[in-house]
Amino acid sequence: DSGVTQTPKHLITATGQRVTLRCSPRSGDLSVYWYQQSLDQGLQFLIQYYNGEERAKGNILERFSAQQFPDLHSELNLSSLELGDSALYFCASSVGAAHYGYTFGSGTRLTVV
Amino acid sequence: GESVGLHLPTLSVQEGDNSIINCAYSNSASDYFIWYKQESGKGPQFIIDIRSNMDKRQGQRVTVLLNKTVKHLSLQIAATQPGDSAVYFCAENRDAGGTSYGKLTFGQGTILTVHP
Repeated sequence: DSGVTQTPKHLITATGQRVTLRCSPRSGDLSVYWYQQSLDQGLQFLIQYYNGEERAKGNILERFSAQQFPDLHSELNLSSLELGDSALYFCASSVGAAHYGYTFGSGTRLTVV
Repeated sequence: GESVGLHLPTLSVQEGDNSIINCAYSNSASDYFIWYKQESGKGPQFIIDIRSNMDKRQGQRVTVLLNKTVKHLSLQIAATQPGDSAVYFCAENRDAGGTSYGKLTFGQGTILTVHP
């Protein structure tokens, strides 16, 4: 157990739907990162939050959004889902805002049908 | 159209052999590099890191070598064990735009298979 908790582990939904993925960082970590891992794109950075504020943004689609709450857990919202959004979504956390040796959760496998 | 999956490099070794996994990184401005291991069904796991002011760093059974001249990174695993079978990713802390903060840019990965 890495200490980073992601729920749900698996999610199957239909095209056009909206889902929310949840992440609880390791105790004491202030940064949360979201990554997408797909067969054709590998591991891609989506977004980072540090202590409730957005800190860095990657190639995150406009249909996707995220936030970090006062208790430091984070949610990634994916809307108007397409078949191509099927992927593993990983959350990671770290102590600082630019601390790269971060810890990943076990991921949420999203399947859009 | 139909998606084409990444064709990851593969490395097959016998148990007890030494393994060397290579990575070419993209941005000469990157100053921090990490190797991650990802086992099937799990998230990436930190193995070892190195800063650009170093050429070599050793951990337990692992060594990372950095050649900034040719932008090359390697991970050496000594006495490889079946439990080392996984996908190995290198990552750097700069993207093409030079942004940093906590973002990592990952390589495509190498599949390591260790045969007993």
